[in-house]
Amino acid sequence: NAGVTQTPKFQVLKTGQSMTLQCAQDMNHNSMYWYRQDPGMGLRLIYYSASEGTTDKGEVPNGYNVSRLNKREFSLRLESAAPSQTSVYFCANQENSNQPQHFGDGTRLSIL
Amino acid sequence: RKEVEQDPGPFNVPEGATVAFNCTYSNSASQSFFWYRQDCRKEPKLLMSVYSSGNEDGRFTAQLNRASQYISLLIRDSKLSDSATYLCVVNKGNQGGKLIFGQGTELSVKP
Repeated sequence: NAGVTQTPKFQVLKTGQSMTLQCAQDMNHNSMYWYRQDPGMGLRLIYYSASEGTTDKGEVPNGYNVSRLNKREFSLRLESAAPSQTSVYFCANQENSNQPQHFGDGTRLSIL
Repeated sequence: RKEVEQDPGPFNVPEGATVAFNCTYSNSASQSFFWYRQDCRKEPKLLMSVYSSGNEDGRFTAQLNRASQYISLLIRDSKLSDSATYLCVVNKGNQGGKLIFGQGTELSVKP
C-alpha cells in the first residue's frame, strides 16, 4: 500500500526543456494537490484538483499546467522549464476538506 | 501578516527536555488544524490533528484556542529522533480542503 507515489524522484533539466511530474494515489481520495517547497518559503500550492475532472490554480500556478487524468492520477507539467522552477515538488491527496493531506516523497528538480 | 505564523527556532534542547511550540493563525473561518513533522529533505508527515478539547498522543500534546486563534504543541521527554521541523497547518475555512502551512519550527535534540 504505497499511498501517494511520485515519479521521478530526481530530475535535471536544461532551461527551455519540458517535462511531466507524475503522481498517483491508491487511497481513493477525491482531492489531490501539487506544492513546491523552496528554502525559507515553506510549502506553496501550485494547483489542486478537488475531484476527478476539475483543476484549479493555487498560489503560484504560472509556468505550470496540470491534468487530472482519473481519480488516481494527477500530473504536473512544465512546458518550458526556467531556473526559477528549481525546487522540491510534493504531491498530496486528501479524503475530504476537513481531513489532513498525505504527501508523496517528492521530486527534486534542478533546472540549469 | 502571514496567515500562519510560527517561531522559526531553532530550538536546541537536551534529551529528556520538554519543549513547546506556538502557532497563530489569521483566518477565523478555519475549521481544521494539524501538526506535521518534516525531516530534512523529506516529505511532511502528519503528526497529529488538533481538536478544540485538546488531545494527546503519547509524549505529544496539542492545544487549540479558537478565541485567540492560537495552536500549541508540547513534546515531553524529548528523544534524539524528535529532531525535525514541525509545521503548524490550518485549513482555509471556506475554501474547501486547501491548507495553509506555517514555515515550520526547527527542533534539534542533543544527547
